[in-house]
Amino acid sequence: GAGVSQTPSNKVTEKGKYVELRCDPISGHTALYWYRQSLGQGPEFLIYFQGTGAADDSGLPNDRFFAVRPEGSVSTLKIQRTERGDSAVYLCASSLIGVPGTMRADTQYFGPGTRLTVL
Amino acid sequence: DAKTTQPPSMDCAEGRAANLPCNHSTISGNEYVYWYRQIHSQGPQYIIHGLKNNETNEMASLIITEDRKSSTLILPHATLRDTAVYYCIVNVRNRDDKIIFGKGTRLHILP
Repeated sequence: GAGVSQTPSNKVTEKGKYVELRCDPISGHTALYWYRQSLGQGPEFLIYFQGTGAADDSGLPNDRFFAVRPEGSVSTLKIQRTERGDSAVYLCASSLIGVPGTMRADTQYFGPGTRLTVL
Repeated sequence: DAKTTQPPSMDCAEGRAANLPCNHSTISGNEYVYWYRQIHSQGPQYIIHGLKNNETNEMASLIITEDRKSSTLILPHATLRDTAVYYCIVNVRNRDDKIIFGKGTRLHILP
């Protein structure tokens, strides 16, 4: 596709349940980022992948949060034992950072986000 | 924490120029100024970036002061579709680094 896509667009779950959020980056983008955005706040960094490996996971709030990118393309953010405080919009972005000679190599392209509501 | 300071909200009449200020007094010599915007229910969208020279593209102009401690994003002819939250960010260019967002400026375009 032309842009970053995220599924589902909305997810409602109950406290204590497990959820998976999916991100399809722009084809060929090596870097992938997850952010979380609470109401009225700017996006907050969670984790960054370069290829298949997590290069920086310093933003993950606790060990209930985990993300994978097994083939260096699609990524899944996994949240165990969800809590009401996890309710937010989860944003994914991708970029060509690190690829020499690319146009706008320093631009992150964001998806529309997944709105997670934990009841 | 974000290294930038922006007013929480601004109004601008449709068709007029919208001038959005940003203070970044602790910016380092190798850090660029980036602007993103976020329209309601969408992800942030890149607008423009610059180091020390003024920059212009099809979306906006970026004016950076000589001491680089502040900048202004200019939307020359604002339309209702420019209603959004605008984020000013400083970052080292072409490095695989996370973006640290502040709260941004909520721009209201008035008909």
